[in-house]
Amino acid sequence: EADIYQTPRYLVIGTGKKITLECSQTMGHDKMYWYQQDPGMELHLIHYSYGVNSTEKGDLSSESTVSRIRTEHFPLTLESARPSHTSQYLCASSPGVGAFFGQGTRLTVV
Amino acid sequence: DQQVKQNSPSLSVQEGRISILNCDYTNSMFDYFLWYKKYPAEGPTFLISISSIKDKNEDGRFTVFLNKSAKHLSLHIVPSQPGDSAVYFCAASYYGNNRLAFGKGNQVVVIP
Repeated sequence: EADIYQTPRYLVIGTGKKITLECSQTMGHDKMYWYQQDPGMELHLIHYSYGVNSTEKGDLSSESTVSRIRTEHFPLTLESARPSHTSQYLCASSPGVGAFFGQGTRLTVV
Repeated sequence: DQQVKQNSPSLSVQEGRISILNCDYTNSMFDYFLWYKKYPAEGPTFLISISSIKDKNEDGRFTVFLNKSAKHLSLHIVPSQPGDSAVYFCAASYYGNNRLAFGKGNQVVVIP
């Protein structure tokens, strides 16, 4: 049973607003990831972290930023939301092989 | 360049029959493969995995087959149940790089 939590589940927000998507895991995993997924498309890795104070950009360019100050917490921030940021954002953590996913945040920017 | 490919984006199958999902990969370094199931507006949940040292792994109704020479794997679900209706993603990684590469997913609809 995976213990990884994302909030909010759904968010509708106006253009230009700053938002932070929260992700927390209680499994003590060092590796954490953020993926972005649109309907009918693959999951694209946008950020990853292999431990505290370690963050890297993923394969898909994203205007979002992340931080990893604590092992269990890996928030994603958009400084100025745009309609092109509308998507589902999925956080995951890994014990080494494979990954466990949170329930995702469905973001709509109007 | 997509390293994991899932063709035939949707599949409809009668309840009780077998569902077969296919996945092809291009990166010969991949040595670990996973299948995830995803419902709309939820995160993917892990189903089954297979290491490249095996050619088959079975867990209840789910069996994954790996053909390394063809760079191909498949997921068999038998018997299919209405609760299996979801999108199924194939994913792959290799030792030293824990970043999973995903396919685009297959929509499965199980008809009662």
